[in-house]
Amino acid sequence: EAGVAQSPRYKIIEKRQSVAFWCNPISGHATLYWYQQILGQGPKLLIQFQNNGVVDDSQLPKDRFSAERLKGVDSTLKIQPAKLEDSAVYLCASSEQLAGGNEQFFGPGTRLTVL
Amino acid sequence: SQQGEEDPQALSIQEGENATMNCSYKTSINNLQWYRQNSGRGLVHLILIRSNEREKHSGRLRVTLDTSKKSSSLLITASRAADTASYFCATHNDYKLSFGAGTTVTVRA
Repeated sequence: EAGVAQSPRYKIIEKRQSVAFWCNPISGHATLYWYQQILGQGPKLLIQFQNNGVVDDSQLPKDRFSAERLKGVDSTLKIQPAKLEDSAVYLCASSEQLAGGNEQFFGPGTRLTVL
Repeated sequence: SQQGEEDPQALSIQEGENATMNCSYKTSINNLQWYRQNSGRGLVHLILIRSNEREKHSGRLRVTLDTSKKSSSLLITASRAADTASYFCATHNDYKLSFGAGTTVTVRA
């Protein structure tokens, strides 16, 4: 079974530039999550989708971050404009369903460096 | 905000020894999950224990949950070099998973 795919794997940009990350979840998984993991910390949930609807985006900095999941399959996360403190690994995860809190499957992540 | 807090922050053990790490959390949960992260395989789910369970085993892993103390422990028995990784507890409630900062485990050959 193919896992969660993410691209790019690495990205270096200058502050105030914009960047976009792409995620393709495991086939058939209804729920998709974006996490931010700063070095030395655990992942922090940014946004989660159930199919193509947003379930929770309470920790998404909406002045600069946006995400969409058109057609309820793959998703993009955008940062515009980037700040130095956005340097982190951005992880995408998926799970079969929202209810029940079952395990999440994570992609390899995109390591973002903002200079 | 991160709900779970792991203890210790770092752990170094000899191959073959057992490793124990603890997780404390603040609010009620539906379940608690443990994940492992290393550079080779990324973040991988290890085990899930529901709020009405007290102990669960999976291979060399043993997890306990004490909801009265809001704490959990993960025991890895007979550790191997491949167990070198960061281990995170994650609490699930309100349809969200909240991760702690993790315990870094180093297994020395």
